[in-house]
Amino acid sequence: NAGVTQTPKFRILKIGQSMTLQCTQDMNHNYMYWYRQDPGMGLKLIYYSVGAGITDKGEVPNGYNVSRSTTEDFPLRLELAAPSQTSVYFCASSYGGIGTDTQYFGPGTRLTVL
Amino acid sequence: QQQVKQSPQSLIVQKGGISIINCAYENTAFDYFPWYQQFPGKGPALLIAIRPDVSEKKEGRFTISFNKSAKQFSLHIMDSQPGDSATYFCAASIGAGRRALTFGSGTRLQVQP
Repeated sequence: NAGVTQTPKFRILKIGQSMTLQCTQDMNHNYMYWYRQDPGMGLKLIYYSVGAGITDKGEVPNGYNVSRSTTEDFPLRLELAAPSQTSVYFCASSYGGIGTDTQYFGPGTRLTVL
Repeated sequence: QQQVKQSPQSLIVQKGGISIINCAYENTAFDYFPWYQQFPGKGPALLIAIRPDVSEKKEGRFTISFNKSAKQFSLHIMDSQPGDSATYFCAASIGAGRRALTFGSGTRLQVQP
C-alpha cells in the first residue's frame, strides 16, 4: 500500500491563479481531511469528508473548495490564490470506525503564493 | 473555538535524558488524545494515543500521562535519543477519533548526543 499520496510536492503560484492539490489514499478509508500547516504552528483543518459525496467545512475553509466523488480521491481547489495561502498542505485519511482512530498523513504539498 | 495549548515551543535534551511536553485543553467533550511525531519534510505520524478513561499509557520509551480533572495531558520520552529529534504535536478530537483533530502548536525537540 502506498498509503496517502499527494501531488505536487512543491508549487509556486502567482496571486490570482488557481490550482488543485491532489490527494489519493489506497487504504479504503472512509474519512479524509485537508489540513494546512503554517510555520511554527499546528495543523488547522480546512475541509473534511466522511465518505464519497459528503464534505464539510473545517476551521479555515475560506478560499478553498473540495469534492469527493470517489472513496480514494479528495482534491483541494484554490480558486484565487492569495499570499495568505502560502503554507504546507497535508491530506490525511482514517477508517472512521470505532477503535480505529489513526489518521494517516501524506507527505504534504508546499505552496508559495507570490 | 476549541483549543489545545502546547508547551514548550522548543526543547533541548541530552541523550539519555527525559523529554516532557505538556498540553492543556478546554473542551471537555474531547475523548481522544493522540500525539503525532513529525520529521522535517514529512507528514505527521501517530506516535501514541490515549482515551480519558485511563490516566497513563506506555509504549516503549513513550508515555502519555492524562489528568482529566485538570484537563491536561503530557508526553514523556524516556532515555531520549538523537533519533527522537523531531517536532511533536499533541491533538484532541471528539467522537472516538472519528472527527478531525485539533492540534497544539507543536514542540521542536532536539536531543543532543
